[in-house]
Formats: sequence, C-alpha cells, structure tokens
Amino acid sequence: DGGITQSPKYLFRKEGQNVTLSCEQNLNHDAMYWYRQDPGQGLRLIYYSQIVNDFQKGDIAEGYSVSREKKESFPLTVTSAQKNPTAFYLCASSKDTFQYFGAGTRLSVL
Amino acid sequence: GQNIDQPTEMTATEGAIVQINCTYQTSGFNGLFWYQQHAGEAPTFLSYNVLDGLEEKGRFSSFLSRSKGYSYLLLKELQMKDSASYLCALIMIYNQGGKLIFGQGTELSVKP
Repeated sequence: DGGITQSPKYLFRKEGQNVTLSCEQNLNHDAMYWYRQDPGQGLRLIYYSQIVNDFQKGDIAEGYSVSREKKESFPLTVTSAQKNPTAFYLCASSKDTFQYFGAGTRLSVL
Repeated sequence: GQNIDQPTEMTATEGAIVQINCTYQTSGFNGLFWYQQHAGEAPTFLSYNVLDGLEEKGRFSSFLSRSKGYSYLLLKELQMKDSASYLCALIMIYNQGGKLIFGQGTELSVKP
C-alpha cells in the first residue's frame, strides 16, 4: 500500500538527548514537510524539502535539524537545544497541491 | 503575515447544521483547505477552495470569499462521529514550497 509511515508512534527523550523521528513515503512525492502540533493548537511548520538534498526552514526551525538524502525519507532530529520538545509531530508529503499526512509521533520528555 | 482565526470550540446537536468560520489576513495564497482531525490522529482532507464560492461534498460544504478574507465549513446532518477538531489552512505556493499555514483549529462537540 502507498502511504507515509512515521515511527515510532511514541518517543521519550531524556534531558540533553537528541532524538530522531523517522518519516518514509512510497508515494514518489517530491516535497516533504514536518509540522509540530501542541495541545489545542493548529500545526506549525518546522522544515520542508522540495527536492532531494535540499530543505528550508519553516516557522519554528530552532532546535531541530533534518536531512533529505533520499526522496523517500525525511528524518527529523529534535536536538537538546529544543527546550520544549513535548508535542505531536506530523510528517507530510505532496506532489502537487495536496499534502498527505503520516499518523504522527508523540514525543514526551522524561 | 498570514494570521488565521477560528473559534476555539463549538457545540452542536446531532442532526443539526453547524457553520465553522475562518478569517485570515494574508499577502497571498493559492487556496484554502479544511481538514478534520480526531484526537491523536493525522488530519484528513475535507475540502479545497481556490475560487470564490461554494464547494459541496456530501454532508460537507466549504465557502471562500477572497475579497472578505473569509471562509466557512458547513456540516449538515451532524453525526456523533463528527466530533473532532476542524482545521482551516492556507496553501502558499509561490516561492514558498507549497507549505500550509494552519489556524488553531475549532473543537466541535456533537451532543445527542
């Protein structure tokens, strides 16, 4: 089945630790996106990539890093510089106008 | 900027009609989306407006007026399963990579 797979579904981070959230798509989409969602809020854009080996900062990129070495994969690293990482993280991909979302990863701090 | 405003929460009765409004201030966008999101799940697509006017899709309709900076989502024959958060989002294509700018979402509770 074609789709977007995010893993893990739940993730816990210790103080000072970097953690990486996985996002894989087999839809052959060029563009991929990472959003953060806090309780009772809409989604905010962290990073996006329109093509392999290229990506741009979104509205809240500080404390996060990404890579786009393959078309299918767009991992997000939450670094220790992100002081408030607890949130629901959503990955999306698109070919034209419509974005398709993964099921999300819920990150919490221990 | 692209400030997008939606009511935080609404309550309606099963079988009724509810209208969820979205107002925005933006320097330019390609279209406006409405998504439905159940707690802890990914947003799912409901509708997309590019031109002014009404788009109808079964029990759901969405309206856009670019001159007024206004959109609404109309839900008819409400069902309990329609209890969810409804997100309004603008898509920015020109030189902005097709990114979506979301409102904060409207939490709809459908009561028996």
